[in-house]
Amino acid sequence: DTAVSQTPKYLVTQMGNDKSIKCEQNLGHDTMYWYKQDSKKFLKIMFSYNNKELIINETVPNRFSPKSPDKAHLNLHINSLELGDSAVYFCASSHGGTDSGYTFGSGTRLTVV
Amino acid sequence: AQSVAQPEDQVNVAEGNPLTVKCTYSVSGNPYLFWYVQYPNRGLQFLLKYITGDNLVKGSYGFEAEFNKSQTSFHLKKPSALVSDSALYFCAVSVSGTYKYIFGTGTRLKVLA
Repeated sequence: DTAVSQTPKYLVTQMGNDKSIKCEQNLGHDTMYWYKQDSKKFLKIMFSYNNKELIINETVPNRFSPKSPDKAHLNLHINSLELGDSAVYFCASSHGGTDSGYTFGSGTRLTVV
Repeated sequence: AQSVAQPEDQVNVAEGNPLTVKCTYSVSGNPYLFWYVQYPNRGLQFLLKYITGDNLVKGSYGFEAEFNKSQTSFHLKKPSALVSDSALYFCAVSVSGTYKYIFGTGTRLKVLA
């Protein structure tokens, strides 16, 4: 069983479209995250939810909107996609904060053309 | 402000030789330090962490890291490198009670047969 699963794995779309990425974890963790990895492999946190409550909201364009329907799911919706949104988006989960370490999903490679 | 530096973009080492991947950090308060590994087209995998206690921590796949408070370093080491260790390695720091990491820029390790 995959611990943190993201769908889709690959996403190619045109500028201006709206798309969603889904994430689910079956580890019983209470905190979930979205990270963005750019073409230079730099990782930056975007959002975090703890027990369905938004606790981290970094400087991210408001075209990006996370949604956590329950503790096991954290989705990312992106409106009006731009070329610069092309990246790999990783979902992760943890029990509590960072102390116990994250479990990452395998990533969604988003390409905007 | 918290920061993590991985001064080497790439480290090359011959199979069977010891390896070191360097990491230095800057944080106010007690640091929590982590190493993650990323294989191609995969998510990050947790290797090891330092929270408190013994400065030498052992992790997965034979890796270990030494916390050095005076030098603010947390270098990753392995006594004998394997070709299969070739991957991208990330150092990360957080502070107790927080939910986000600051990741380093990553170091690509290449183990040559």
